[in-house]
Amino acid sequence: SQTIHQWPATLVQPVGSPLSLECTVEGTSNPNLYWYRQAAGRGLQLLFYSIGIGQISSEVPQNLSASRPQDRQFILSSKKLLLSDSGFYLCAWSWEGTQYFGPGTRLTVL
Amino acid sequence: GENVEQHPSTLSVQEGDSAVIMCTYSDSASNYFPWYKQELGKGPQLIIDIRSNVGEKKDQRIAVTLNKTAKHFSLHITETQPEDSAVYFCAAGFQKLVFGTGTRLLVSP
Repeated sequence: SQTIHQWPATLVQPVGSPLSLECTVEGTSNPNLYWYRQAAGRGLQLLFYSIGIGQISSEVPQNLSASRPQDRQFILSSKKLLLSDSGFYLCAWSWEGTQYFGPGTRLTVL
Repeated sequence: GENVEQHPSTLSVQEGDSAVIMCTYSDSASNYFPWYKQELGKGPQLIIDIRSNVGEKKDQRIAVTLNKTAKHFSLHITETQPEDSAVYFCAAGFQKLVFGTGTRLLVSP
């Protein structure tokens, strides 16, 4: 069966510091991968999606970037965090259109 | 692009009652409509989905209906239980999904 992992589970970072969130998927090959952000009490905003290694599409202009160095690994990064980057970051993978979410990373920028 | 509206934003029911959440979408090219349940501090969990070639789908106490002409779809939960309390999200699209803003469902014992 397929499983999706995200780490860390929670993160507190100062403004201006770098960020690296990791997502890995097990039990499937060549999945579509997604990064979403969810602000407190809000819906899900698609940030990036990838259909293969090195193929990243950005949905929202911002100071975040994504990379896919391996088939089942998706990384979300920032060089300098802003206060507005706080939120719940969710990674998802899909097969035939159905998306499955990871447990999420709660990021607080102070 | 796709735009999804979801109503109501909050819904309070008594245990055993039915709950209905409705969503409308704008892009007629969307052909996949999932529903997710999100508990506090956790990632959304897929509970049911429907594709554009089907009008209704049921899984035990949960059902989803789709009206492609009117561009709306709805989630029906029967015999609600306190553990159904959560935030529910609808979505529309295919490779990329656009999500509704969520409905907070509270089931009181």
